[in-house]
Amino acid sequence: DIQMTQSPSSVSASVGDRVTITCRASQGISSWLAWYQQKPGKAPKLLIYAASSLQSGVPSRFSGSGSGTDFTLTISSLQPEDFATYYCQQANSFPLITFGQGTRLEIK
Amino acid sequence: QVTLRESGPALVKPTQTLTLTCTFSGFSLSTSGMCVSWIRQPPGKALEWLALIDWDDDKYYSTSLKTRLTISKDTSKNQVVLTMTNMDPVDTATYYCARILYGSGNRGFDYWGQGTLVTVSS
Repeated sequence: DIQMTQSPSSVSASVGDRVTITCRASQGISSWLAWYQQKPGKAPKLLIYAASSLQSGVPSRFSGSGSGTDFTLTISSLQPEDFATYYCQQANSFPLITFGQGTRLEIK
Repeated sequence: QVTLRESGPALVKPTQTLTLTCTFSGFSLSTSGMCVSWIRQPPGKALEWLALIDWDDDKYYSTSLKTRLTISKDTSKNQVVLTMTNMDPVDTATYYCARILYGSGNRGFDYWGQGTLVTVSS
């Protein structure tokens, strides 16, 4: 199975900061990577698919990059509503799917 | 619009079998490329993919749980059912169903249910 490792596991930042979260795959997954945002008590929300494509309705301050084994999610200017947990998900071995362990983004 | 909703027992006893139903609307699971998955999340922990059923009735399971899982669909009722046998307290989690499209270039779960919390306890 493909393993997904996110770093850091948690990060503290302030409104207006630029934040980058990393996801590494245990083997190459081309660009088959998605990013999700999850707020407490809510279902995850798809932000980015195919590594860098913005899901409809998602603000442009979210961006994704990478291919192969290393990927990043960047939030260009943090807004109060962005404090949440973020997950990556690989779909290269579709339909066998794996998620990362999550990165908690907290207010500094 | 697309919606999914999970239903099932909130409490099951150890060794019992869990049956969850995902009822969806706004799409057809007989449309080429359409798939529905089950994903779970123990309290305070990460998401874990469990199973997927596709438009062609092909079924796929998590390697670690495949001996305990069965996924099925009733296209006429717009439902997907997951059964998990031999439940254990470590299976306590919120269980989600979600839609994913194959072949569209977007292999992300674009719609999710609200989740249902299942507690395993005697």
